[in-house]
Amino acid sequence: DIQMTQSPSTLSASVGDRVTITCRASQSVSTFLAWYQQRPGKAPKVLIYKTSTLGSGVPSRFSGSGSGTEFTLTISRLQPDDFATYYCQQYFNYPQTFGQGTKVEI
Amino acid sequence: EVQLVESGGGLVQRGGSLRLSCAASGLTFSSSALSWVRQAPGKGLEWVSGISGSGGVTYYADSVKGRFTISRDNSKNTLYLQMKSLRAEDTAVYYCALLKPNLQGFFDSWGQGTRVTVSS
Repeated sequence: DIQMTQSPSTLSASVGDRVTITCRASQSVSTFLAWYQQRPGKAPKVLIYKTSTLGSGVPSRFSGSGSGTEFTLTISRLQPDDFATYYCQQYFNYPQTFGQGTKVEI
Repeated sequence: EVQLVESGGGLVQRGGSLRLSCAASGLTFSSSALSWVRQAPGKGLEWVSGISGSGGVTYYADSVKGRFTISRDNSKNTLYLQMKSLRAEDTAVYYCALLKPNLQGFFDSWGQGTRVTVSS
């Protein structure tokens, strides 16, 4: 199985900050990488798929980049709604695997 | 708008069985690959199983292979997960999710989840 490792595990930030989360794969996943946001008690929501394509209705302050084994999710100006946990996920190979999550807190 | 509504969760004893359902609307069900993803309390996301639109292709995580069976009824727009020989480590919220663009895809829409608790 492809292992996905996110860093950091927890990130403290303020409203208006630029935030970057990194996701590393144990082998190349090409650009088959998605990012999800999960608020407490809620289901995950896709933010980005195919490394850099925004999901439906996702604000443009979210962006993704990378290829191969290293990927980043950037939130350009953190908003109050953005305090949540973020997961990366590869879908290059079965089984699809997730990173352990990055909690963005105030 | 795609809607996925899970049901069937609850409290079950170790070794017991449970069947989860996921009712779908707002999509062409028989063409849609679907999946179950779970989240243990305070933990991350774990893919459990996936099924093609026709139901002819299924995949399972090693942790549930031989104990869980995914199936679908395209006449009822419903996805199922039959769980047997349940273990404490199966305790989790189980989400139904729509895969895009196909069975080996990302999770485009999610249900609200149904909680399964396995007591020891």
